[in-house]
Order: sequence, then structure tokens, then C-alpha cells
Amino acid sequence: EVQLVESGGGLVKPGSSLKLSCVASGFTFSSYGMHWIRQAPKKGLEWIALIYYDSSNKYYADSVKGRFTISRDNSKNTLYLEMNSLRSEDTAMYYCAKGHFDYWGQGVMVTVSS
Amino acid sequence: DIQMTQSPSFLSASVGDRVTINCKASQNINKYLNWYQQKLGEAPKLLIYNTNNLQTGIPSRFSGSGSGTDYTLTISSLQPEDVATYFCLQHSSRTFGGGTKLELK
Repeated sequence: EVQLVESGGGLVKPGSSLKLSCVASGFTFSSYGMHWIRQAPKKGLEWIALIYYDSSNKYYADSVKGRFTISRDNSKNTLYLEMNSLRSEDTAMYYCAKGHFDYWGQGVMVTVSS
Repeated sequence: DIQMTQSPSFLSASVGDRVTINCKASQNINKYLNWYQQKLGEAPKLLIYNTNNLQTGIPSRFSGSGSGTDYTLTISSLQPEDVATYFCLQHSSRTFGGGTKLELK
């Protein structure tokens, strides 16, 4: 059974940093690209980052480019999202998703507030 | 960027009703469209991929159709367990519809 479990969320102040993790199981993690998607309260879903299976390519939404970094450790079946210079508008539920968006995690909440 | 307009935003229907949810793209998306169901506190679940392909394990009352810019998710006979939010994803350029909250009447 495919499982994706996010962690690392919480309440942080504007300008601070946070690193999210997504642990994968039930499939060959090293064979698939992975995504991060977020949903702000009462807003729609927004794709924010993609990393290829071998980390050779990374893509970002304009809203996070230069502040967020996607990475992965295939030896640990883990996807990461490092978030810097956080803003109030980054407050959202953050989801990881497998390759063709066929499996998603339950999400982790990030709240940016003073 | 391709914009996805989903309608309706809210839908109230009775058990046994036929329910349709629509997504309209701002340009031709060549059937690169998925549909998802999300229940409160749960991970989104893929229902339909590439317009009309039923994901493994999904009941056959769910179906998808469309082409070009217009796409539809249909639930042929609404069941109580179908109460959820549904959203579409145009997975070529990775943009989402705004979601439809489906409730029982």
C-alpha cells in the first residue's frame, strides 16, 4: 500500500524557516518524481514544487521560487521542502504527492504569524 | 498559464441522484485531466485520470468525460459515502480547479 506521511509543520514567525519531510512507502521511491502542493485556508490548491526521481531537475511555482527548496534522499525514501523567508501568505496545508499525482499524503499545516 | 474553472462550487443532492461536476480550461488541455475526492482530514484520492480512466479500486459509479477545454465528473447514483470535496487537476501545467463541495440534501 502506497503511503506518504508529511511532518515538520507548525507555527512560525514571518521571516523564519521551516523544513517539511514526506516519508514514502509502498512503492519504489527512487523511480518517481515527487511534488509539493499547498492549500491556503479557504483557498484552492496550488502546485509549488517538483523534483525528478534522480534530483536532476527541480521546478518551482513563481510564488516560492528563490525561497523554497525541494530535495530528496532516496536512501531514506524521504522528500523535503525547505522553506525560508516565510510570509503570512505561505500559511497553508502542505501536501506531498507521487509522480503523476496518483497518491497524496494527508498534509501538514504550516502557519506563519507573528 | 492555463486556468481551470470548476463548477459548481457547492452542490446538494439526494442519495441516488446523478451528479455532475465540471471543469473548464482556458485552453485545450488534450485530456490531461484528473479528478480527486477529498474527505475532511484525509488525503486526496485519485478517482479518474486522463479524463476517463477509472483508478483501480474506485467504484464504477464514478466516470469522467470531456475533451478540448471542457471536462465532467459524473457520479451515476450518489451514495452517502460520496459526501466530500471534489477537484480537478490539469496535470500538464499543474493547475487545479477551485473545488466542489458535495453535500447530501
